[in-house]
Amino acid sequence: EAGVTQFPSHSVIEKGQTVTLRCDPISGHDNLYWYRRVMGKEIKFLLHFVKESKQDESGMPNNRFLAERTGGTYSTLKVQPAELEDSGVYFCASRRTATNEKLFFGSGTQLSVL
Amino acid sequence: ELKVEQNPLFLSMQEGKNYTIYCNYSTTSDRLYWYRQDPGKSLESLFVLLSNGAVKQEGRLMASLDTKARLSTLHITAAVHDLSATYFCAVDIFGNTGKLIFGQGTTLQVKP
Repeated sequence: EAGVTQFPSHSVIEKGQTVTLRCDPISGHDNLYWYRRVMGKEIKFLLHFVKESKQDESGMPNNRFLAERTGGTYSTLKVQPAELEDSGVYFCASRRTATNEKLFFGSGTQLSVL
Repeated sequence: ELKVEQNPLFLSMQEGKNYTIYCNYSTTSDRLYWYRQDPGKSLESLFVLLSNGAVKQEGRLMASLDTKARLSTLHITAAVHDLSATYFCAVDIFGNTGKLIFGQGTTLQVKP
């Protein structure tokens, strides 16, 4: 069974540009999460999808961030326009149902905004 | 404020030694996770602790949970180099939603 896949693994962009991160969850996992770790800080929750619906987006930093999950499969996280403070590692995670099941994480996208 | 604090943040130890990583959290939770991360890799789930007094063991790692003290420990027995990684604890205080509050992570370096 394939794990959670994230693309790209690294992205270097200039301030003001747009970047789109992609996450492919494990097949059959309705719950998809985005987390972020800014340098030197804790990993923090951004948002949670159940299928294609946003269940909780309380962790999204501001309206420069837009997450979508069309069709309830893969998800994208777009940052537009990117700012320096957006640099960090963006993790995606998924799990099948809201049970006691653990979250399966991807290896993350390292975003550097210069 | 919701906080999860790990102690220590960095640990360098010799192979064969024992040590414990502590995870304190500031509000009620009956669900605590331990994850391991190797550099550039995904977070790998180690343990899910679901009740007070829960203890789980896998190889040289043993995790426990005391919900009354709001404390979890990850004990390493006879460390080997392969255990070198960053270890995170996380709590789900929102009713098993998957919205986790993470600790800062403990970077473990095991020297031969």
